[in-house]
Amino acid sequence: GAGVSQSPRYKVAKRGQDVALRCDPISGHVSLFWYQQALGQGPEFLTYFQNEAQLDKSGLPSDRFFAERPEGSVSTLKIQRTQQEDSAVYLCASSEGTLFEQYFGPGTRLTVT
Amino acid sequence: RKEVEQDPGPFNVPEGATVAFNCTYSNSASQSFFWYRQDCRKEPKLLMSVYSSGNEDGRFTAQLNRASQYISLLIRDSKLSDSATYLCVVNKNSGNTPLVFGKGTRLSVIA
Repeated sequence: GAGVSQSPRYKVAKRGQDVALRCDPISGHVSLFWYQQALGQGPEFLTYFQNEAQLDKSGLPSDRFFAERPEGSVSTLKIQRTQQEDSAVYLCASSEGTLFEQYFGPGTRLTVT
Repeated sequence: RKEVEQDPGPFNVPEGATVAFNCTYSNSASQSFFWYRQDCRKEPKLLMSVYSSGNEDGRFTAQLNRASQYISLLIRDSKLSDSATYLCVVNKNSGNTPLVFGKGTRLSVIA
């Protein structure tokens, strides 16, 4: 079946622009996670959802970052007024639950110029 | 102390060699442990879960030492296709909590 998909795959934004990154999880997966991965680092947790409820957003680096999953399926990560330090790969993962295997999407590579 | 620490490598080994990776974690309440594999410019994929009794999957063996808060991964008879970054992963705390990833250990298997 279809895996996790993310769009766009690549995004170049000028500093100060707003961006929206989309994640389509595996159908039926209740848990959805967002991670930020900088070059040479492991994925860093940003936030996660159980269905439409955002249960933990402790990893969001600033109030410029906002995530939503209004119908418990597709999720959007929005970054307002992008800064150069926001340049990274943003990974989305979904799972049947937080203790189950997470399946990752291919990521969105964001470059802020 | 970082939540999950790994030797970043790189480990450069010849084909057929045995290689071991180590990982330590800081939260004694963590209950779920995994090794993920990440190829260059690709997403992470689950390699194996790590159980208290230790577990083996073909050429791969994972061990967990809760007292020392230490996890290991052993790869026997290395193949060229094993070249990747190996990420040690634990859950943040007990119960249903998100995963924390180490920075990864890079392995290059050389012909």
